[in-house]
Formats: sequence, structure tokens, C-alpha cells
Amino acid sequence: GAGVSQSPSNKVTEKGKDVELRCDPISGHTALYWYRQRLGQGLEFLIYFQGNSAPDKSGLPSDRFSAERTGESVSTLTIQRTQQEDSAVYLCASSFRPLAASYNEQFFGPGTRLTVL
Amino acid sequence: GENVEQHPSTLSVQEGDSAVIKCTYSDSASNYFPWYKQELGKRPQLIIDIRSNVGEKKDQRIAVTLNKTAKHFSLHITETQPEDSAVYFCAAVGNQFYFGTGTSLTVIP
Repeated sequence: GAGVSQSPSNKVTEKGKDVELRCDPISGHTALYWYRQRLGQGLEFLIYFQGNSAPDKSGLPSDRFSAERTGESVSTLTIQRTQQEDSAVYLCASSFRPLAASYNEQFFGPGTRLTVL
Repeated sequence: GENVEQHPSTLSVQEGDSAVIKCTYSDSASNYFPWYKQELGKRPQLIIDIRSNVGEKKDQRIAVTLNKTAKHFSLHITETQPEDSAVYFCAAVGNQFYFGTGTSLTVIP
């Protein structure tokens, strides 16, 4: 079956421009997560959606970052006025169970590689 | 919030030897501890997990142990093979998913 998909796979932008990254979770997965992974680094939690609501936005690095999710499906991560330090791979993941469930495998998308020149 | 530390950051072993990766966490509310494997250029994938009411779990060549009192858990890979080469991430899950910083494992043929 279809896994988590993300688009675009690669995005090169100029400093100061806005970018929008898209995530299509696995159908029926209620929870959706965004992570940032800088080159050679670990997974930095950004935001978590349960359904359409985001109970935890504490990982968003600054007010230039925002995310929304509609219809318990597609989510978009928007970065305004991009900076060079925003360059990273942005990974999306979804899970069938809510975060608070005792077993909660996350299925990751292929990521969007963002390069800010 | 949670703080997950992972060691070592890099690990090289000879094919056939064992590899051990260790993680510690700080939040007593964490109750689920998955391990993900990320091959070069690919997405992370779950390889094994353990819940806080279990001390050890094994799946073929990989096993995970959990010491809830000491707040640490470990991944053990036996009879390593070149295809085990990847970055491994531990995670502690309570109110959030907190990932460790990753261990780059290289299995030398």
C-alpha cells in the first residue's frame, strides 16, 4: 500500500523567500509529526498533529515556522523568510495510534531536502 | 522536557561481532522505547521496540533491554553483517517522541 509521501523531494530557495512543504500521511493515520534533520545530525521534533489539532508546537524553532493539517490528511509546513540555517531535510511521519498510545510505530516519508542559498 | 542521550556516536565492528548502543532518558513518564534504523539517504524505519513493563525483547539478531529504574535502554545486534551498517536512533516516548542523536554503525567485512 501507499506509504507516507512528501513533496517536493528537493527544494532550493533564496534566503528570505517563503517555502511550503507538503506531507501526505498513510490513509487512516490520525497522528502526524514533522521533524528536521540537519546533515549528519539526529531527528529534531518540530510539531505533532492529532487529527487536525496540534497539541504540541513546542519544537517549532521560531515564529517563521508554522504548520497546518486539514481533514486528518495532508499537512503543510511553511517556513517564512527562510534563512541559511533552515537548510536541512524535513521529515514527516504518521502513525495509526495517537502519541499517548502505548505502542506507536511511526512511518516516515522520504523527506524534503531544503537548501537555502 | 525529556532528554535522550545516545552513545556512542560512531561505532565500527568487524563482521560477525556484536554491537551495543546505549541510551539514557530523564522523563519518568516515558513508557515506550523504539529503535529506528536509517540507511544512507533513506527514511528511518522501526526495527524493534519495547514498552516500559518489559525488561527485554528479542527479534532474531537484535535485542533491546530496558532498565526503568536506571532510565537506560540498549540495543544489541549480534552476528553483525555489512547490511547492518546504518545510523540507529533510539527514542523515548511519553508526551512527545524524543529521539537520541544517533549512532553511525559501520560493519567491516
